Amino acid sequence: SQTIHQWPATLVQPVGSPLSLECTVEGTSNPNLYWYRQAAGRGLQLLFYSVGIGQISSEVPQNLSASRPQDRQFILSSKKLLLSDSGFYLCAWSVLGGRGYGYTFGSGTRLTVV
Amino acid sequence: AQSVTQLDSHVSVSEGTPVLLRCNYSSSYSPSLFWYVQHPNKGLQLLLKYTSAATLVKGINGFEAEFKKSETSFHLTKPSAHMSDAAEYFCVVSESGGYQKVTFGTGTKLQVIP
Repeated sequence: SQTIHQWPATLVQPVGSPLSLECTVEGTSNPNLYWYRQAAGRGLQLLFYSVGIGQISSEVPQNLSASRPQDRQFILSSKKLLLSDSGFYLCAWSVLGGRGYGYTFGSGTRLTVV
Repeated sequence: AQSVTQLDSHVSVSEGTPVLLRCNYSSSYSPSLFWYVQHPNKGLQLLLKYTSAATLVKGINGFEAEFKKSETSFHLTKPSAHMSDAAEYFCVVSESGGYQKVTFGTGTKLQVIP
């Protein structure tokens, strides 16, 4: 069966420090991978999506970057965190090119920048 | 272009009474529609999905939703609320494409009163 792992679950980082959040998927090949951010009262915002290794698309200009070094690994990074980067970050995967399959989400990372 | 509107940001029901969470969508194509549930500090879990088959869709935990094309609605219902249903619910619309890009509603927080 397919599973998705996301870590860490919670993270408190000072302003200006680097960030690395990791997401891995098991039980599927060549998935679409996504990073979402959920800020309080603002719903889910798509940050990045990837349709293959090394292929990253950014939805919004921001302080963050993403990489996909392996087929089932998706990493969210920042060189210097801002206070506004605080939020709940969710990784998700879906079937490539498939309509109607929905997303499978990771358990999320609560990031607090102080 | 696609969009989704969740008409209520908060809904409060008594335990054992029916639940209705409203969702309207806009889509240029025949969409796929989903409902997700998120418990505090958890990832999103798929409740149910509509993908152009039966218009009445049954999901997990006793939830169901009816796709009404004439009303562009996909409301989520449950006959009898349970305390464990207290969570935030997201309506999602997806159109076909080379990758699966979806649009999330802003969420409805369901409170269940004992």
